[in-house]
Amino acid sequence: ETGVTQSPTHLIKTRGQQVTLRCSSQSGHNTVSWYQQALGQGPQFIFQYYREEENGRGNFPPRFSGLQFPNYSSELNVNALELDDSALYLCASSLGGQGNSPLHFGNGTRLTVT
Amino acid sequence: GENVEQHPSTLSVQEGDSAVIKCTYSDSASNYFPWYKQELGKGPQLIIDIRSNVGEKKDQRIAVTLNKTAKHFSLHITETQPEDSAVYFCAARPPYEKLTFGTGTRLTIIP
Repeated sequence: ETGVTQSPTHLIKTRGQQVTLRCSSQSGHNTVSWYQQALGQGPQFIFQYYREEENGRGNFPPRFSGLQFPNYSSELNVNALELDDSALYLCASSLGGQGNSPLHFGNGTRLTVT
Repeated sequence: GENVEQHPSTLSVQEGDSAVIKCTYSDSASNYFPWYKQELGKGPQLIIDIRSNVGEKKDQRIAVTLNKTAKHFSLHITETQPEDSAVYFCAARPPYEKLTFGTGTRLTIIP
């Protein structure tokens, strides 16, 4: 069984730039959720994708957007990067879009915005 | 929306002793309560979860208890070992909604 994999592991960007983070879900999982984890904090929900559609969103601005592909992999895109976007971005996969199954996380992408 | 509070923020225990981490939640509709362990440089790893139709669940040295009336749930680790040192997160989820995390507890096991 392949777990959740994320790329890249680390990334440094400049304020105002755009970034794309990628996630491959655990085999058999059709739902992907993205979380932002600031240093010393718990993960904060960004959004969830199920069957290539966004089906839940947290309190994040529209410059945070995503995609899910037919193979259930996913991308998180952030436009117009701000210093406060520096964080660990976590992808989690699960089975079913209703949120009834456990989330399994990848090891995240550490984004630094300078 | 759901709000989860977690205490303590840091906890140090002697190897072999027990550790207890407590969480409270605000939304009485929440029915799923997982616990995650996060080691340095890694993502959160699910270690145990409980649903609202049970009051306690055990898995070897780890147990979770749930008090729906008081909206409290706790993680108990017995016979702690050095490899238990990590940051632990509780979380709660109402039906068909997102998972909301607590702020974490840094557990240090003293050899």
